[in-house]
Amino acid sequence: EVQLVQSGAEVKKPGESLKISCHDPGYRFATHWIAWVRQLPGKGLESMGIIDPSDSDTRYGPSFEGQVTISVDTSINTAYLQWRSLKVSDTAMYYCARMKEKMGNGYFDLWGRGTLVTVSS
Amino acid sequence: SYELTQPPSVSVSPRQTATITCSGDTLGDKYTSWYQQKPGQSPVLVIYQDNQRPSGIPERFSGSNPGNTATLTISGTQPEDEADYYCQAWDSTSHVLFGGGTRLTVL
Repeated sequence: EVQLVQSGAEVKKPGESLKISCHDPGYRFATHWIAWVRQLPGKGLESMGIIDPSDSDTRYGPSFEGQVTISVDTSINTAYLQWRSLKVSDTAMYYCARMKEKMGNGYFDLWGRGTLVTVSS
Repeated sequence: SYELTQPPSVSVSPRQTATITCSGDTLGDKYTSWYQQKPGQSPVLVIYQDNQRPSGIPERFSGSNPGNTATLTISGTQPEDEADYYCQAWDSTSHVLFGGGTRLTVL
């Protein structure tokens, strides 16, 4: 099965805004929640939040509420992760992943290759 | 807050059995999934719903979740199994959680 297609690497300055994308080439985009997962350099996986493309119901991880915005455009099968004002500490690899099953039982069977975001002055 | 605890590292000899644990309060009441991540690559699902193996994942990968500790077992470990492994579950407020990860070294 093909992977989710993520946008390319970004290099930004502190305070700048950024929106990265995750395209699902499959035809059932609206039927699966999409998660965004952060991986800081040399560290583990952290769930930032998940979104239901069918109604944009979004659940943010406690550490990420108010820090980022997750959205979708179902007309082009794409999910987004957005920052209004980047910090150096946002430097990380960001993965999107497709969730199977329901909230509370779900698992992630399809991942993107990741988008490397580097924030440096 | 709810946490999933994994050992930072596990070592195994080729063709031996590797066991990676994931501990969390009442984890046995939840489904646990496991992901393999090799350097420079995206995570790959290797076990879901405690003990189900996705298509394409070798039979040597198995999982169990009998109580507060879920276990990923790799029987007859191969050199290509050397990777980081992460468990994943949900907390009571429907947030996704990952364990801290375990680096498996095949000596």
